[in-house]
Amino acid sequence: EPEVTQTPSHQVTQMGQEVILRCVPISNHLYFYWYRQILGQKVEFLVSFYNNEISEKSEIFDDQFSVERPDGSNFTLKIRSTKLEDSAMYFCASSERAGGGETQYFGPGTRLLVL
Amino acid sequence: AQSVTQLGSHVSVSEGALVLLRCNYSSSVPPYLFWYVQYPNQGLQLLLKYTSAATLVKGINGFEAEFKKSETSFHLTKPSAHMSDAAEYFCAVSPYNTDKLIFGTGTRLQVFP
Repeated sequence: EPEVTQTPSHQVTQMGQEVILRCVPISNHLYFYWYRQILGQKVEFLVSFYNNEISEKSEIFDDQFSVERPDGSNFTLKIRSTKLEDSAMYFCASSERAGGGETQYFGPGTRLLVL
Repeated sequence: AQSVTQLGSHVSVSEGALVLLRCNYSSSVPPYLFWYVQYPNQGLQLLLKYTSAATLVKGINGFEAEFKKSETSFHLTKPSAHMSDAAEYFCAVSPYNTDKLIFGTGTRLQVFP
């Protein structure tokens, strides 16, 4: 069964460093998402992406965040200058179509720890 | 803004007992509703979803949920718990005019032998 994959599974970085989280969505999916979950808190939407453009972003997704689809398979989330509060589990998701009723398929997550 | 509330951050049941995980949504328009499950060290897996068709929705692993507009609820049930059901369960809503999912705080289900 096709699945969303994410690398790395864990990343530790120093405050102020740049990190890139990678995701490979399901191959025929066209819509991509990033969510994050700070330990003990809700899963929160960050951004949605379609046709090489951001479709929607949350207040959390400020100028230090960016997303990119550098090739036909990868979807990346870059955090330019990490802060302690960026420590969280980051989930990538993809869906075949847009629309609120569409199923989003999630990857296993990348646990980011900023020291 | 739309939101979901999950009552009970932890629920414990005996194997074979009924599982009931509660979710209430806030929306003036019936939204799309989802239940996801997260097993340890895994991603979120869709259990079932409501998209304005039948109000009783059947999902994987014997779970089902009933959409009740009058109660703004979408509670998840399973008649007989199994040890393998131990996981964290998330209720989520997707408003009509957006693709994003808005999640509840999650409920950790423990199943005792």
